[in-house]
Amino acid sequence: GENVEQHPSTLSVQEGDSAVIKCTYSDSASNYFPWYKQELGKRPQLIIDIRSNVGEKKDQRIAVTLNKTAKHFSLHITETQPEDSAVYFCAAHRTGGFKTIFGAGTRLFVKA
Amino acid sequence: DADVTQTPRNRITKTGKRIMLECSQTKGHDRMYWYRQDPGLGLRLIYYSFDVKDINKGEISDGYSVSRQAQAKFSLSLESAIPNQTALYFCATSDSWTPDGMYFGPGTRLTVT
Repeated sequence: GENVEQHPSTLSVQEGDSAVIKCTYSDSASNYFPWYKQELGKRPQLIIDIRSNVGEKKDQRIAVTLNKTAKHFSLHITETQPEDSAVYFCAAHRTGGFKTIFGAGTRLFVKA
Repeated sequence: DADVTQTPRNRITKTGKRIMLECSQTKGHDRMYWYRQDPGLGLRLIYYSFDVKDINKGEISDGYSVSRQAQAKFSLSLESAIPNQTALYFCATSDSWTPDGMYFGPGTRLTVT
């Protein structure tokens, strides 16, 4: 079945360093890839997304890249801050498809 | 995000009781979902609905049922609650043809004793 693999499951970085989270999807028809941030006790919230006709997208300190050939996409956070500490979920979706497939999540710790 | 609301926000109930969790949205989205999240784990899909007449089981539907009363309302029922249904439950919405992500409600923390 369709699945999304996400790595690493836990990531610890020093404040100011960069963090990278990687995902691989199986459904080659997926064309929309959102990323969600879930702070402790809160709801997941969309922070950035990328569509299949784009290879990279940036929004301030966060960026996403997509390699359709390899079916990989990644989240990059630069100049990490303690408030970036959260669980991050990647997801893959096919327009008109049945549902969004989530990765298992990455718990990011940013040490001050 | 007040566009998706859930009631109750917290609930403690006893084993064997029937409980209903409710979700309402004002985003005008056609799709609605119920997810379960256990501590330290990811999101597991319980049920999803693409419109009022469409209900589909997710990966962990056993012990749960749903009702899509209107496009804006989607409720989740536990017919006979058991302790291992203790979890955080999220409702979510999305749009079929203009995906701009999934919008989650604030969550319902359910404890079954």
